[in-house]
Amino acid sequence: SAVISQKPSRDICQRGTSLTIQCQVDSQVTMMFWYRQQPGQSLTLIATANQGSEATYESGFVIDKFPISRPNLTFSTLTVSNMSPEDSSIYLCSVEDLLRGRGGHYGYTFGSGTRLTVV
Amino acid sequence: DQQVKQNSPSLSVQEGRISILNCDYTNSMFDYFLWYKKYPAEGPTFLISISSIKDKNEDGRFTVFLNKSAKHLSLHIVPSQPGDSAVYFCAAPLGRGNMLTFGGGTRLMVKP
Repeated sequence: SAVISQKPSRDICQRGTSLTIQCQVDSQVTMMFWYRQQPGQSLTLIATANQGSEATYESGFVIDKFPISRPNLTFSTLTVSNMSPEDSSIYLCSVEDLLRGRGGHYGYTFGSGTRLTVV
Repeated sequence: DQQVKQNSPSLSVQEGRISILNCDYTNSMFDYFLWYKKYPAEGPTFLISISSIKDKNEDGRFTVFLNKSAKHLSLHIVPSQPGDSAVYFCAAPLGRGNMLTFGGGTRLMVKP
């Protein structure tokens, strides 16, 4: 399975500022996915990042608020811009991966997450 | 419209007993289903999967059952251990690139 290094692991930020989250994968992958998990909620897909093209955003998420970079096949960043307390969440990057175990299905391998608190 | 649902937000079980986590879905076209486990300070980790053509898949203490007619799957953990305490998500691939849609999660607490 792919190994993803995500940083920072946590941060406390002032409202109105921006935070950039980085994800490094130990292998080349075509697509990287960025998720958000708000407190007590499930995982919600923010956007899909392809190398060499603009990210594709899901309904309710816009590029101005969550700009994404994908400079190569092993790296991506997500920026949370002009933050407000409502942006306090766990942000996760993931890649499509052939999962271990019986069945051999494709799923996601996730980074360890970034816990963001906006004050 | 949420296509994968977990209606129990939490479950408490005594150590050594069986834990049963449930998941319902609405889209009969899902090819397979996945279960993930998530500890508080970590990203979700894959646990077990099941193809839509199967009705059971087993991996050690973990067994997933699929009832296609009821559009229901369940994860059984036997015996439950305190280290199993985590949030469990069921998920299914949806649309392009096997994009996953997740249920709301069930928080399992296994008491010693």
